[in-house]
Amino acid sequence: ETGVTQTPRHLVMGMTNKKSLKCEQHLGHNAMYWYKQSAKKPLELMFVYNFKEQTENNSVPSRFSPECPNSSHLFLHLHTLQPEDSALYLCASSFGQVKDTQYFGPGTRLTVL
Amino acid sequence: AQRVTQPEKLLSVFKGAPVELKCNYSYSGSPELFWYVQYSRQRLQLLLRHISRESIKGFTADLNKGETSFHLKKPFAQEEDSAMYYCAPYRFSNAGGTSYGKLTFGQGTILTVHP
Repeated sequence: ETGVTQTPRHLVMGMTNKKSLKCEQHLGHNAMYWYKQSAKKPLELMFVYNFKEQTENNSVPSRFSPECPNSSHLFLHLHTLQPEDSALYLCASSFGQVKDTQYFGPGTRLTVL
Repeated sequence: AQRVTQPEKLLSVFKGAPVELKCNYSYSGSPELFWYVQYSRQRLQLLLRHISRESIKGFTADLNKGETSFHLKKPFAQEEDSAMYYCAPYRFSNAGGTSYGKLTFGQGTILTVHP
């Protein structure tokens, strides 16, 4: 599959579970992003990685832990989440150059019980 | 604080009618602005950027620095234009000597074009 892929597409977890979201991009990009899309809020940037280095943490709670082992893969580790964390989590990537375009994955629909 | 506002959550027009999706921003300096679109069952994707001054799918957007607006317009709406539209100012950042883009999205406007 080309472009930006995300797995799983749907995830249901309890508040005491630990799970991980995976994102992979096949575009040769250098920057990757995690966004949260809730029903009643604008799309929120969570983390930015540039050349595997985290360059932005948008005041995200520590129960969300990102990992970027290389420029093509991005993970979001989840633990002790709250029901209000239920949302669509989008991954995106870009070349990392000025005036670039971000390419989005299909998202992971997360439900926290 | 830097903000972007899309005042209309829902917008309905009939096919063939003109459509304008409003976007206002409050950013220092000269931001670059983008419109992203999400069609039903598709992923979020770039529609156009102001710096390109291009028309995509009949849509145009003009950056008005005096009014700090970047409204999206189309003279004759089509049913396939029905989607969620996001206005997104772009902030340029540097980290470790490498540049990357950071988008801040507006709340979005759901456009419905009726036959």
